[in-house]
Amino acid sequence: AQKVTQAQTEISVVEKEDVTLDCVYETRDTTYYLFWYKQPPSGELVFLIRRNSFDEQNEISGRYSWNFQKSTSSFNFTITASQVVDSAVYFCALDTDKLIFGTGTRLQVFP
Amino acid sequence: EAQVTQNPRYLITVTGKKLTVTCSQNMNHEYMSWYRQDPGLGLRQIYYSMNVEVTDKGDVPEGYKVSRKEKRNFPLILESPSPNQTSLYFCASSPGLAWETQYFGPGTRLLVL
Repeated sequence: AQKVTQAQTEISVVEKEDVTLDCVYETRDTTYYLFWYKQPPSGELVFLIRRNSFDEQNEISGRYSWNFQKSTSSFNFTITASQVVDSAVYFCALDTDKLIFGTGTRLQVFP
Repeated sequence: EAQVTQNPRYLITVTGKKLTVTCSQNMNHEYMSWYRQDPGLGLRQIYYSMNVEVTDKGDVPEGYKVSRKEKRNFPLILESPSPNQTSLYFCASSPGLAWETQYFGPGTRLLVL
């Protein structure tokens, strides 16, 4: 069965702190894709990153970085020097033959 | 501008009164999908469509209908809404190849009284 677990329901940090959002997935497929989406308070879903199962290189985009480790079935997301605008719900998702979402992690960044 | 649009954005209705939520994309995407988002459950797929006249059930299809008569439109129909269908609904589209990124509409917040 395919499954995505985001064990952290809610995280609160103070601005400029680094924060890591955990994502653990389960699948028996060898080919799959992993995604992160951001849902700000306005409610829309914003695509952040897509990573295929054959590419375990870590990725950095500005203050965002992603650590994909197949050995532990994890695809963690780190925000460096967090800002108030990072406050949102973040969803990790797994795509084998359909897109399956985790339950989301609400990140609150306080000034 | 490439986008997925949904209407209405907010809707309050009563049990049993049929309603339709429209979804339209201007990217010529083949794949379209509907999700509902509920607290503590993340997003769950309701229905999806691989192309015109091709639709299939997702994880939570009960109480919903869809149609895909044109490539750009994928309406979600609630024939007889019930309070447990109160939710935030998202439409999404992608080019249709396996594992392509799905782009989401702005969401429709539905309250069924």
